[in-house]
Amino acid sequence: GESVGLHLPTLSVQEGDNSIINCAYSNSASDYFIWYKQESGKGPQFIIDIRSNMDKRQGQRVTVLLNKTVKHLSLQIAATQPGDSAVYFCAEGPQKLVFGQGTRLTINP
Amino acid sequence: NAGVMQNPRHLVRRRGQEARLRCSPMKGHSHVYWYRQLPEEGLKFMVYLQKENIIDESGMPKERFSAEFPKEGPSILRIQQVVRGDSAAYFCASSPSRSSNQPQHFGDGTRLSIL
Repeated sequence: GESVGLHLPTLSVQEGDNSIINCAYSNSASDYFIWYKQESGKGPQFIIDIRSNMDKRQGQRVTVLLNKTVKHLSLQIAATQPGDSAVYFCAEGPQKLVFGQGTRLTINP
Repeated sequence: NAGVMQNPRHLVRRRGQEARLRCSPMKGHSHVYWYRQLPEEGLKFMVYLQKENIIDESGMPKERFSAEFPKEGPSILRIQQVVRGDSAAYFCASSPSRSSNQPQHFGDGTRLSIL
């Protein structure tokens, strides 16, 4: 996982645009990755996961890309909506999850 | 509500008191995980339990912290003689099995404040 920082990186996008949130992981042996969305005052909400034997997986309005060569994970959100505003975390699994730093996504009207 | 249930949602304790945090996993889930989150940070793994067994406690502080998941009832995270540094949000997650195909689902946490 990434080192912990005192301030979350922030991504601001216009409503309706696509959002891309990036994550670097450190353990080349990790074989399972998850993206979570966390809204203020709530717990992480599962969005999508991907195994290391895949490089892309799609869900409803979301796509996760995995690049094992450079240990990089990304989450793409299509047609971003106000309800997508939250902090997004990547995590390496499967049992003892190691969370990344998180990215705060804000939507401009 | 079939989700992971945590209570209390907010807990205030004075230094030196004990804090007990409870977690009921999703129906059908037999694996429970506890994580801790400081403001503006990601969650940090604490402990992984199955019914009546601690599978991995590598993230638990050596002193004052303990966890259990009895045969009947919720999982309990217990913090004895709390100190200011224990103030954080504590989250519980559950999964149906050890399978790597099963994501963990989280509750909404207990916010612990130490006076």
